[in-house]
Amino acid sequence: QVQLVESGGGLVKPGGSLRLSCAASGFTFSDYYMSWIRQAPGRGLELVSYISSGSSYTNYADSVKGRFTISRDNAKNSLYLEMNSLRAEDTAVYYCAKMREGVADYWGQGTLVTVSA
Amino acid sequence: EIVLTQSPATLSLSPGERATLSCRASQSVSSYLAWYQQKPGQAPRLLIYDASNRATGIPVRFSGSGSGTDFTLTISSLEPEDFAVYYCQQRSKWSITFGQGTRLEIK
Repeated sequence: QVQLVESGGGLVKPGGSLRLSCAASGFTFSDYYMSWIRQAPGRGLELVSYISSGSSYTNYADSVKGRFTISRDNAKNSLYLEMNSLRAEDTAVYYCAKMREGVADYWGQGTLVTVSA
Repeated sequence: EIVLTQSPATLSLSPGERATLSCRASQSVSSYLAWYQQKPGQAPRLLIYDASNRATGIPVRFSGSGSGTDFTLTISSLEPEDFAVYYCQQRSKWSITFGQGTRLEIK
């Protein structure tokens, strides 16, 4: 069965950096787009970024453009999100999701990122 | 950016009743509309994709309809486990956005 396991979240100071990872299993990782979707405490869902199956195409929300970088390693069945210049408003649970034709059909359990002094 | 507006914000119903949730897009998204269910402390779960197709393992009491700008998620007879927050999501023109959610609570 499809499994997505995020890691790397934690407490970081404003202006700091963090790298999230997502380990995928149960499907042919290299065949699918992948995304990071976040949810601030008590708020709705926001697509942060997605990446094509072969890494040739990436897309970012305006709120993170220039600060976050999505990448993947198909040999390791892993997805990453490098987050720099973190702000308080980046505080959220970050979900890794498998994408199928623009729809997030499987989600990880999420990892909490807290940006606070 | 395509904005999705969900209504109502909160819906209070009893088990066994029929639930009707709405999602309106600021411009046409054709049939590229999905619905997700999220329970407290859990990740969202895909219910419906392409407006009316149930995802794998989703009970038949969940159905979706609509096209263009107006969409509906219907739960024919509410089970206790259906009380949760529901989000719609569109995918078009390389853009993916979510609605703000409808909370379905027990009356």
